Amino acid sequence: EVQLVESGGGLVRPGGSLRLSCAASGFTFSTYSMNWVRQAPGKGLEWVSTISRWSTYIYHADSVKGRFTVSRDNAKNSLYLQMNSLRAEDTAVYYCSRDRSLGDPSAFDYWGQGTLVTVSS
Amino acid sequence: QSVLTQPPSASGTPGQRVTVSCSGSNSNIGINTVTWYQQLPGTAPKLLIYTNDQRPSGVPDRFSGSKSGTSASLAISGLQSEDEADYYCAAWDDSLNGWVFGGGTKLTVL
Repeated sequence: EVQLVESGGGLVRPGGSLRLSCAASGFTFSTYSMNWVRQAPGKGLEWVSTISRWSTYIYHADSVKGRFTVSRDNAKNSLYLQMNSLRAEDTAVYYCSRDRSLGDPSAFDYWGQGTLVTVSS
Repeated sequence: QSVLTQPPSASGTPGQRVTVSCSGSNSNIGINTVTWYQQLPGTAPKLLIYTNDQRPSGVPDRFSGSKSGTSASLAISGLQSEDEADYYCAAWDDSLNGWVFGGGTKLTVL
């Protein structure tokens, strides 16, 4: 059974940093591109980052570019999101998700339960 | 302001057929496939439709997707109370080099 479990969320001051983790199991992690998607309270879904199987291709949304960095460790079946210079508008539930395709971006077929990040003084 | 445009709300009665539209541009829907997600209250999104009109295993055939030009649609036939949820469209955008989502459509079953 495919499982994605996020961790690392919490309360952080504006300007602070946080590192999210996503532990994957039930599939060959290194075979799939992975993504982070966030959802602010009461708002819609917003794509954050995508990383290809071997980290060859990395993409970030303009809203987080230069502040957030996605990475992965295939040996540990883990996905990460390093978030620096956090702002109030980064407050959201952050979801880890898997791309169903082994090639070009296709669709997010599995999602974690999400981890809440709150940026507030 | 979302890159893909969806109506904020839709509604229907049990058994009815409802559609949700998603409008994009030449850099996203016009050249890439469309995906639809269903998000039930308090839960993570779930993949509903991929590659414009394909259903993952386990998704009832009451749900169908289509695409034409720079727009796409999700149709739900035989509406059921458990279909009450938020629905999002998404597509890869070649200009932005990233995924773009619609703002979401809240479906109410009357």
